[in-house]
Amino acid sequence: DAGVTQSPTHLIKTRGQHVTLRCSPISGHKSVSWYQQVLGQGPQFIFQYYEKEERGRGNFPDRFSARQFPNYSSELNVNALLLGDSALYLCASSLLEIGYEQYFGPGTRLTVT
Amino acid sequence: QQQVKQSPQSLIVQKGGISIINCAYENTAFDYFPWYQQFPGKGPALLIAIRPDVSEKKEGRFTISFNKSAKQFSLHIMDSQPGDSATYFCAAGYSTLTFGKGTMLLVSP
Repeated sequence: DAGVTQSPTHLIKTRGQHVTLRCSPISGHKSVSWYQQVLGQGPQFIFQYYEKEERGRGNFPDRFSARQFPNYSSELNVNALLLGDSALYLCASSLLEIGYEQYFGPGTRLTVT
Repeated sequence: QQQVKQSPQSLIVQKGGISIINCAYENTAFDYFPWYQQFPGKGPALLIAIRPDVSEKKEGRFTISFNKSAKQFSLHIMDSQPGDSATYFCAAGYSTLTFGKGTMLLVSP
């Protein structure tokens, strides 16, 4: 069975640009969460979506946005990129809204120069 | 405010030894406590998880011990192997997960 997939694997952007990251959850999973992992730190929660609705938002600026599509895949968008946005962006899927058993994808490594 | 504190930051254990990683949380609303294993360049992989209605859970060589009154939980890796060398994260949550900062484990051959 396919796990959580994310694209692209790596991305290099310039300050001020915007970026779109994509995630496909495990088949049958309806909840997708996004996390940011800075080097040497644990993942930090950004958004949770369930059945195409935002169910939770972490302490991130409005430059970060996301959405979930009818097929439960999801996009994370970041506008006006800053150097500090350089991180590994992780997508996790879970079966239910209260998605305790979260399964992570391999992540997208974003580098902002 | 860091809601989940993890220690130690790094750990070196000999092959066959026991690795112990500790976490403490502050929010008493948390009711789910997983541990994740992460290898370089990979996403975190769910290892084992516990809910506060039990004090211990064991899966193979991995055991979680949970102390609700102290708001602490720990991961024990028995018979540690070189292949266990990775970064381990504890987490806690009730609707979303809050992660600790991680413990880098090195198991020497």
